Amino acid sequence: TQTVSQSDAHVTVFEGDSVELRCNYSYGGSIYLSWYIQHHGHGLQFLLKYYSGNPVVQGVNGFEAEFSKSDSSFHLRKASVHWSDSAVYFCAVSSNTNKVVFGTGTRLQVLP
Amino acid sequence: EAAVTQSPRNKVAVTGGKVTLSCNQTNNHNNMYWYRQDTGHGLRLIHYSYGAGSTEKGDIPDGYKASRPSQENFSLILELATPSQTSVYFCASGRDRGSAETLYFGSGTRLTVL
Repeated sequence: TQTVSQSDAHVTVFEGDSVELRCNYSYGGSIYLSWYIQHHGHGLQFLLKYYSGNPVVQGVNGFEAEFSKSDSSFHLRKASVHWSDSAVYFCAVSSNTNKVVFGTGTRLQVLP
Repeated sequence: EAAVTQSPRNKVAVTGGKVTLSCNQTNNHNNMYWYRQDTGHGLRLIHYSYGAGSTEKGDIPDGYKASRPSQENFSLILELATPSQTSVYFCASGRDRGSAETLYFGSGTRLTVL
């Protein structure tokens, strides 16, 4: 059984700051890791995913995430956030045989 | 772009009543999912389907039924609604089973059971 943990429920930064949203997973086999974004009042939208190859994956709107097998992590980063990046971010893990499992989400608040 | 439409957007029901939440997708995806979202729990999978006529139990299926009459439509049914089922419900569709599947979500249905 795969699990995913997002340790920060809330993160607050100022516009223009860099940000890292943390995600840790547990699973012994081959997995796929994804990030989704949820703006208030809307459904989740796919940002990016990783399975193999370059551990740094690029997503939309300047987001990237880095896979680390040694740390069992897949943290999401952005170099310079905009107020429109305020949303809830979900990390997700899946395997070849299992369904997608989501973390509890991190609410990012970007202050002007 | 993928399109998943949920109806209604908001629903108020009484305890013991029957509630049906509907989902329609125009992506021609085989897979469809129902999740509920609650504070502190993230998204939890209730039921899913890999094609018309089939439904599978997710992680929290108790109190819910699902119906997939066609490729496009996937319904979630609460035969006897309870206040504990007050939540925001999301439908999603996907093309690939497990593995690298990307999910496309609807905008959600906010259900309040009084």
